[in-house]
Amino acid sequence: QKEVEQNSGPLSVPEGAIASLNCTYSDRVSQSFFWYRQYSGKSPELIMSIYSNGDKEDGRFTAQLNKASQYVSLLIRDSQPSDSATYLCAVDPDSWGKFQFGAGTQVVVTP
Amino acid sequence: DAGVTQSPTHLIKTRGQQVTLRCSPKSGHDTVSWYQQALGQGPQFIFQYYEEEERQRGNFPDRFSGHQFPNYSSELNVNALLLGDSALYLCASSSGRGGYEQYFGPGTRLTVT
Repeated sequence: QKEVEQNSGPLSVPEGAIASLNCTYSDRVSQSFFWYRQYSGKSPELIMSIYSNGDKEDGRFTAQLNKASQYVSLLIRDSQPSDSATYLCAVDPDSWGKFQFGAGTQVVVTP
Repeated sequence: DAGVTQSPTHLIKTRGQQVTLRCSPKSGHDTVSWYQQALGQGPQFIFQYYEEEERQRGNFPDRFSGHQFPNYSSELNVNALLLGDSALYLCASSSGRGGYEQYFGPGTRLTVT
């Protein structure tokens, strides 16, 4: 079992719709969670972090964390073609900076 | 405000050679972590440097080594290169040892032939 799992996609989303990305993790004591966006051929770019159960909103992005279910998600509202990228979920299991990444979910926003 | 910088951008080496990659962290950051990203995969943690010492290490052989300088910049060295070492090598900087956001540099694309 992989430590951090994501659906590989591609997730096809019409422009203006909501994209929903899911991530599960295996280490129950994990406290720190991050979402990154990676365009093809580029390095990952931090979207947001989340540390507490519940929702955290930043612009068109909302991260949701449920530690009991070991589940973290990312919603992208009003999806734009520029949102087409691979989205990486990262978990810092012991909060010492040794991030574990999922393989990423590819999102394709169609006009 | 300068972000994370890495050099070189691209590198082609022959199997068995040695390579050194360099990273300068974001202004105000003191911790550097290195990751290897193979095509189609998420980044894999190699090691982390804080206060000029290796603080954490992932499942990478001793052929992978590093160093952090007093100005917080860092080097990643890989000896006896294998074809499987071909990947994007990413440096991430952060403030403090862990639990905090990490910001990635542009990466170094290493090709081993």
